[in-house]
Amino acid sequence: EIVLTQSPATLSLSLGERVTLSCRASQSVTTYLAWYQQKPGQAPRLLIYDASNRATGVPARFSGGGSGTDFTLTISSLEPEDFAVYYCQQRYSWPLTFGGGTKVEIK
Amino acid sequence: EVQLVESGGGLVQWGGSLRLSCAASGFTFSSYWMSWVRQAPGKGLEWVATIKKDGSEKHYVDSVKGRFTISRDNAKNSLYLQVNSLRAEDTALYYCARDMLTDGYNLEYFQFWGQGTLVTVSS
Repeated sequence: EIVLTQSPATLSLSLGERVTLSCRASQSVTTYLAWYQQKPGQAPRLLIYDASNRATGVPARFSGGGSGTDFTLTISSLEPEDFAVYYCQQRYSWPLTFGGGTKVEIK
Repeated sequence: EVQLVESGGGLVQWGGSLRLSCAASGFTFSSYWMSWVRQAPGKGLEWVATIKKDGSEKHYVDSVKGRFTISRDNAKNSLYLQVNSLRAEDTALYYCARDMLTDGYNLEYFQFWGQGTLVTVSS
C-alpha cells in the first residue's frame, strides 16, 4: 500500500497569502496524484488531477506540481472560500489511498 | 447536471448488515467506473471500493474484503454497497463517487460526489 503523508497538518494564514501544501508518497506514483478540497459539511471537490491538471471550473490560483514521491498544491492568493481541508490521493496502484489532509485556517 | 444521491445508511448493531444505494442521474451511468469512499466522523477520507463500468472488475480496500460487496445495475442507473459483519470502525459517512473519464480512459480519481449516507455501528 502506498502511504501519502501530508504536511503540515494545519496552516494558519491570512487572506491574500500564497500557500504551498505538501504531499509525499512512500514510493513513486509518477504523476498519478490528485488534490481535493473539502469544506465543513460538504463532499470533497476535485481540484487537480495527474499532479498538475486543473479540474473543470477550478480557479487558476490553484496549481499542482511534482512527480515521483513529492507533490505540491499551491494557492497563489488565498480567498475566503479557500479555507478548507485539502487531501491528496494516488491512483498509481490499488488500494487507492488518500493523505491525512492539511487544514488551511484563517489566522 | 450530474447528481449522485446515496441512501440506505442508518444505525446498526455490531455484526449487522446494510445495503447502501446510490442513484445516479445527469450522465451516461454505464460509461463510468464508480466508487465508494468513506469518512469516519472528524477523520480523513478512505477509499472503500471501485467497480468497472460493466461490473466485470472490482477492487476493495483490504479492511473490507470479504465483508463488503460493490455492485451496480446499469439499467437502473444505480450503484450499491452491501456491507456485512459491520464493526465499530466501519462507522462513517459513505460517499458514492463517479470516477473520471478522459479521452476514453478511466482515471481513478473522484470527479463527482454525492452528499453521503451515514452508517453508525453500535455495540
